[in-house]
Amino acid sequence: QQQVKQSPQSLIVQKGGIPIINCAYENTAFDYFPWYQQFPGKGPALLIAIRPDVSEKKEGRFTISFNKSAKQFSLHIMDSQPGDSATYFCAGVSWGKLQFGAGTQVVVTP
Amino acid sequence: DVKVTQSSRYLVKRTGEKVFLECVQDMDHENMFWYRQDPGLGLRLIYFSYDVKMKEKGDIPEGYSVSREKKERFSLILESASTNQTSMYLCASSLGLETGDPDTQYFGPGTRLTVL
Repeated sequence: QQQVKQSPQSLIVQKGGIPIINCAYENTAFDYFPWYQQFPGKGPALLIAIRPDVSEKKEGRFTISFNKSAKQFSLHIMDSQPGDSATYFCAGVSWGKLQFGAGTQVVVTP
Repeated sequence: DVKVTQSSRYLVKRTGEKVFLECVQDMDHENMFWYRQDPGLGLRLIYFSYDVKMKEKGDIPEGYSVSREKKERFSLILESASTNQTSMYLCASSLGLETGDPDTQYFGPGTRLTVL
């Protein structure tokens, strides 16, 4: 049973749109919530991460929103570009171990 | 830059064969991990290691074993490959922080294993 539930499975947006990926978790022992980005043929790479005592974090065009009471967090990609087309994984970290969501394939059309 | 390399990008084996997947990292990281990635399931942890000759089971260790004889090398072993082990296998390493700070995992490119 997945400890981190991620939705949607896939989404398509036009260039400039804002894809939003949502994750929900059960394990309150998670102390860190990273997002990983994976391009075809590559391993995942850390994109952005947040601690549970922060409600929002921005890095460039990527923003994490975190709601501790609801045990939910989300990734927003502002002004999305075709180069952002990839699979995105949310995760929770407990004792240095990652629990991943199922992944969201994002396609940004020109 | 951290580099995690995996011995093969693609591998085809037959049911019952013993399979070795090798992973090497060049950044003197303490921790190493093996995951399998399947569509709709994300990445699931098979085994991890916090030190040389040390190993711990992850979430799905059945049918797998590991070996870490040197700090930079972590091997995943399928003792008798089965068709349900057809998957993408990803190796990762991390520094092994003890300060409580986030410990980023760095991934290799993956090995796509097909068991016929």
